[in-house]
Amino acid sequence: DVKVTQSSRYLVKRTGEKVFLECVQDMDHENMFWYRQDPGLGLRLIYFSYDVKMKEKGDIPEGYSVSREKKERFSLILESASTNQTSMYLCASSFPGGGTEAFFGQGTRLTVV
Amino acid sequence: RKEVEQDPGPFNVPEGATVAFNCTYSNSASQSFFWYRQDCRKEPKLLMSVYSSGNEDGRFTAQLNRASQYISLLIRDSKLSDSATYLCVVRGVTGNQFYFGTGTSLTVIP
Repeated sequence: DVKVTQSSRYLVKRTGEKVFLECVQDMDHENMFWYRQDPGLGLRLIYFSYDVKMKEKGDIPEGYSVSREKKERFSLILESASTNQTSMYLCASSFPGGGTEAFFGQGTRLTVV
Repeated sequence: RKEVEQDPGPFNVPEGATVAFNCTYSNSASQSFFWYRQDCRKEPKLLMSVYSSGNEDGRFTAQLNRASQYISLLIRDSKLSDSATYLCVVRGVTGNQFYFGTGTSLTVIP
């Protein structure tokens, strides 16, 4: 069974904290993605990576950074958490190109207080 | 303009009904098309890919109209367990990015 695993299901952090969200996939996918999902706004791409150490900004990268040191792991970093970053964060992975789909992790519901 | 647009609904239908969702996409060079299902507070999961010739999986039928740039999903004989949000997803020109509609909410009523 293919797996994308996010490190936490629920997380509560304080404003100003540095927050790390981890994602690991076991499918040898080149592409990995971080999205946030908010009611009425759907999934919005924060960053994606198409190879180790490679990254590209998505639609809403401000306040976030990412790290991909190994193919299977893609980390999302909130440099200084703010209340407007309270959201559901979803990691996904896929093969590049073609007609293959994206596989999602179970999501991390982050609350910043 | 958004890459993918969907009617958010909600659609409330009785058990056994047939319901159809449509979605439009803006980039005519888009490569691949999918419908995902998302249950409340869960991650999206692939329901079915959408092929140019149309495809069916049990009670679900997906169709693609490239000329009009729209994708449809038909659910026949709705079950209570079909209640979920259905996301229209388009894979971009480069093949690296996925573009998601905001989802259409379906509730099947007993």
